[in-house]
Amino acid sequence: DAKTTQPPSMDCAEGRAANLPCNHSTISGNEYVYWYRQIHSQGPQYIIHGLKNNETNEMASLIITEDRKSSTLILPHATLRDTAVYYCILNRDDKIIFGKGTRLHILP
Amino acid sequence: DTGVSQDPRHKITKRGQNVTFRCDPISEHNRLYWYRQTLGQGPEFLTYFQNEAQLEKSRLLSDRFSAERPKGSFSTLEIQRTEQGDSAMYLCASSTRDGRNSPLHFGNGTRLTVT
Repeated sequence: DAKTTQPPSMDCAEGRAANLPCNHSTISGNEYVYWYRQIHSQGPQYIIHGLKNNETNEMASLIITEDRKSSTLILPHATLRDTAVYYCILNRDDKIIFGKGTRLHILP
Repeated sequence: DTGVSQDPRHKITKRGQNVTFRCDPISEHNRLYWYRQTLGQGPEFLTYFQNEAQLEKSRLLSDRFSAERPKGSFSTLEIQRTEQGDSAMYLCASSTRDGRNSPLHFGNGTRLTVT
């Protein structure tokens, strides 16, 4: 079963930064933190991943605490198209196990 | 577009019939995964391949389910004697070699409805 804990839902105003938290207190040293999102009726979309250091790409930033027990996905300027379910996942073994994720609502 | 392709997008079948889905991964991705997703739940892992070898099967994959990847490229997932509980979205994903530091790229799935 999933080893991460996420709030079931969050709201964010359009144009503001969306900060999605994830707890993974039992993370192992070689497990990567991955974030995916799923827009209705589509397959999950990869967003970003990291091991220890903070990461940034064209979609988002990933902030991992120093003890690696939690992380935050940041969407810097949320738009209505960012409305989706966001999954925080630890990549162990050679497959990913999804939890229930956070349903992010972007409010106009 | 060189993303993961799944066919068909939708399939409606009667209980007891057999169905087969196809997945074409991203070219040169040697890992291929199958997931199943029901309404309101996250995707559930079913099985995965490294090239043509099936390396792991979930307990969710009953004897009625079989997956193949004969030449290490495309894959098929067959469900025999479908049941209403098989109604779900079936997702395929691919990645390069070692999955731990390689993101999975998903297709948009095949939605199966068993009547």
